[in-house]
Amino acid sequence: QLQLQESGPGLVKPSETLSLTCTVSGGSISSSSYYWDWIRQPPGKGLEWIGSIYYSGNTYYNPSLKSRVTISVDTSKHQFSLKLSSVTAADTAVYYCASYYYASGSFDYWGQGTLVTVSP
Amino acid sequence: DIQMTQSPSSVSASVGDRVTITCRASQGISNWLAWYQQKPGKAPKLLIYAASSLQSGVPSRFSGSGSGTDFTLTISSLQPEDFATYYCQQANSFPQFTFGPGTKVNVK
Repeated sequence: QLQLQESGPGLVKPSETLSLTCTVSGGSISSSSYYWDWIRQPPGKGLEWIGSIYYSGNTYYNPSLKSRVTISVDTSKHQFSLKLSSVTAADTAVYYCASYYYASGSFDYWGQGTLVTVSP
Repeated sequence: DIQMTQSPSSVSASVGDRVTITCRASQGISNWLAWYQQKPGKAPKLLIYAASSLQSGVPSRFSGSGSGTDFTLTISSLQPEDFATYYCQQANSFPQFTFGPGTKVNVK
């Protein structure tokens, strides 16, 4: 079964760029059945979908974050990545990577999540 | 944009109780609805997809129903490990997704 693991800095300064990577194992990131997604959860709050990428490189973003988000994929490394620019304290959250299985319309595998704090 | 609401926002229940959580979409989403369970400090876990299909490995006490705009998640007999927060998620507007605000199931 798929396993996903986030990695990246846990502390980012305001106005800088948050960068995270998700490594996929136990299956192919080039699978035609899956999209690869980022979802975040501010402390004590609900889940917010950030964006998605297909192995071909097609990307889809939450309109509320679109101007600041870039998601990319490196199939040779079995990884996809998130960049969020011009961060503020409001971007402090646990960031999850997840696999979206198109046929079921659901996120069936999730990484453990990584807390990113935006602070000077 | 499709907005998702859930009710109640929290529910207090005892082991063995039947618990029902409702999710409503701001417009019709057919059966493109999933339910997740999240425990503190953990990633969400998929329970139900396509409104009523049980994810592999999920106990049969969990069930989902509904279509269009109104959906329910039912736990037929609450177990100690079921105290958690539950989220619905719509996929009708793929590749844009939205989650409900969550329902916390507390110990009564």
